[in-house]
Amino acid sequence: EAGVAQSPRYKIIEKRQSVAFWCNPISGHATLYWYQQILGQGPKLLIQFQNNGVVDDSQLPKDRFSAERLKGVDSTLKIQPAKLEDSAVYLCASRDSWGYEQYFGPGTRLTVT
Amino acid sequence: GENVEQHPSTLSVQEGDSAVIKCTYSDSASNYFPWYKQELGKRPQLIIDIRSNVGEKKDQRIAVTLNKTAKHFSLHITETQPEDSAVYFCAGGCGSGNTGKLIFGQGTTLQVKP
Repeated sequence: EAGVAQSPRYKIIEKRQSVAFWCNPISGHATLYWYQQILGQGPKLLIQFQNNGVVDDSQLPKDRFSAERLKGVDSTLKIQPAKLEDSAVYLCASRDSWGYEQYFGPGTRLTVT
Repeated sequence: GENVEQHPSTLSVQEGDSAVIKCTYSDSASNYFPWYKQELGKRPQLIIDIRSNVGEKKDQRIAVTLNKTAKHFSLHITETQPEDSAVYFCAGGCGSGNTGKLIFGQGTTLQVKP
């Protein structure tokens, strides 16, 4: 079974620029999560999708972050414009709707200079 | 709001000793408590989990205990080995179903000295 795929693995941008991250979940997993993991901290949930609908985006800074999962499979997370404090690893995870375990992708390490 | 507190933030043990990491949670509705291991630069990987209808679960050298009344759960690693060195995260939440989500603790950096 293929795991969760993410790209790019690394990204360096200047503040005020925009950036997009892509995630392809495990086949058949209807639930998809985007997390932000700042160095030295635990993953913080940004947004949760069930198929192509948003279940929870209460922690997403909507003035600069957006995410979509148009066909209920892969997903894109965008930041525009980026701030220095957005430097973090962005993790995508997926889960079968009736299972418990979340499977994580390798993450995208974002550095904002 | 919902919160998971994890202690200690760092833990150093000698090879062969035991290590214990503790977490507390605030949401009484939480029913699923996984533990993830994250090696440097790698993705978090599930090492053990427990559901609220069970008080203890063991898998070889790793065990997890849950006290629902006190709202805390712990990870126990026995006979530690250098390859156990990593960051460990606890999490709690309503794990399954359409709205299932987890709140993660801040992490514990475990160092096992040879």
